[in-house]
Amino acid sequence: QVTLKESGPVLVKPTETLTLTCTVSGFSLSNARMGVSWIRQPPGKALEWLAHIFSNDEKSYSTSLKSRLTISKDTSKSQVVLTMTNMDPVDTATYYCARIARGDGYNTMDVWGKGTTVTVSS
Amino acid sequence: SYVLTQPPSVSVAPGKTARITCGGNNIGSKSVHWYQQKPGQAPVLVIYYDSDRPSGIPERFSGSNSGNTATLTISRVEAGDEADYYCQVWDSSSDDVVFGGGTKLTVL
Repeated sequence: QVTLKESGPVLVKPTETLTLTCTVSGFSLSNARMGVSWIRQPPGKALEWLAHIFSNDEKSYSTSLKSRLTISKDTSKSQVVLTMTNMDPVDTATYYCARIARGDGYNTMDVWGKGTTVTVSS
Repeated sequence: SYVLTQPPSVSVAPGKTARITCGGNNIGSKSVHWYQQKPGQAPVLVIYYDSDRPSGIPERFSGSNSGNTATLTISRVEAGDEADYYCQVWDSSSDDVVFGGGTKLTVL
């Protein structure tokens, strides 16, 4: 059974750096046809993709947030870590990680974690 | 940047067919994926690669994609289908993954 679980602080202060961890099970981060994405959703708003990473360490970041994001993985621990610098109240959201399945000509997010809620407030 | 446009809401009576559209410039040339999100829950993939269904998703869910519009069709709608639905593509020009604004499906 494939599962992903997000973990991290519930509350961060403005200007602080957020560090989130996605721990996966049921698949390997070394699988060439798999990757992990981070997505967030502010309260009452739409999904917003943040970043993803693949087994070969190929990374991609949201154009609008690229300067603030860093994604990395520890295959031995089955973990993917996302850091976001200079947090602001507008970054208050539920943060999800999701498995990416690579197909012929497409990537899709086929299994999602339950999400972790992060509030940015002083 | 690439923009996906969805209607904010769609309403349908039980047993009828719901169609949720996702508009984008030449979206027919891209692979479109659809996610269902019920209140307080994580999104669930219901259609990938325009029209393929993951295992466990009822055959009532189908997808199509052509020209500037992709469509998620839900046949014989049930009360349990009430949810927000999001379309998603990968924009190769910016290397961004893009979501639509979401459509709230209400079952009357």
